[in-house]
Amino acid sequence: EAGVTQFPSHSVIEKGQTVTLRCDPISGHDNLYWYRRVMGKEIKFLLHFVKESKQDESGMPNNRFLAERTGGTYSTLKVQPAELEDSGVYFCASSLGATTNEKLFFGSGTQLSVL
Amino acid sequence: DAKTTQPPSMDCAEGRAANLPCNHSTISGNEYVYWYRQIHSQGPQYIIHGLKNNETNEMASLIITEDRKSSTLILPHATLRDTAVYYCIVRPRSGGSNYKLTFGKGTLLTVNP
Repeated sequence: EAGVTQFPSHSVIEKGQTVTLRCDPISGHDNLYWYRRVMGKEIKFLLHFVKESKQDESGMPNNRFLAERTGGTYSTLKVQPAELEDSGVYFCASSLGATTNEKLFFGSGTQLSVL
Repeated sequence: DAKTTQPPSMDCAEGRAANLPCNHSTISGNEYVYWYRQIHSQGPQYIIHGLKNNETNEMASLIITEDRKSSTLILPHATLRDTAVYYCIVRPRSGGSNYKLTFGKGTLLTVNP
């Protein structure tokens, strides 16, 4: 069974450009999450989808970030325009349910570098 | 903010048991203790979780003190591939944000040959 897949694995862009990250969750997982780690900080929650609906986007840093999950399958996270402080590793995770006993399965992340 | 305290780093010899401590003195009865790890260049990986009883699976054992204020993750026979940052996470059993994982700084475990 395929795990959580993220694309690209690395992205280098200039300040002001747009970048779109993609996440393919494990098949059948209704719950999808985005997390990120910026330089020197802990891994932080960004948002949570249940199918195509955003359940919690309290961790999104500002309105330059837009997450979508059309059709309840894969998700995209767009940063527009990118700023230097957006550099970091963006992780996607998925789970079957959202109860406490559910394990989250993480992808390997997208390393974003904004120059 | 994370509700756990872990040592920043630990070393372990290959083949020996690795015992990683975690303090969670403010844990409530409604909260689980979870352990994840992150191997370099990979995403976090679930290891084990428990509420109040000790737990064991194919990866590790989790020992939770009777007062639940601390726990220890035990890797019984550490290998070089176990070198990673280990995160102890307190997670609500129920409630509005029980799906969130709040990561702290974790413990960098280095397994030496």
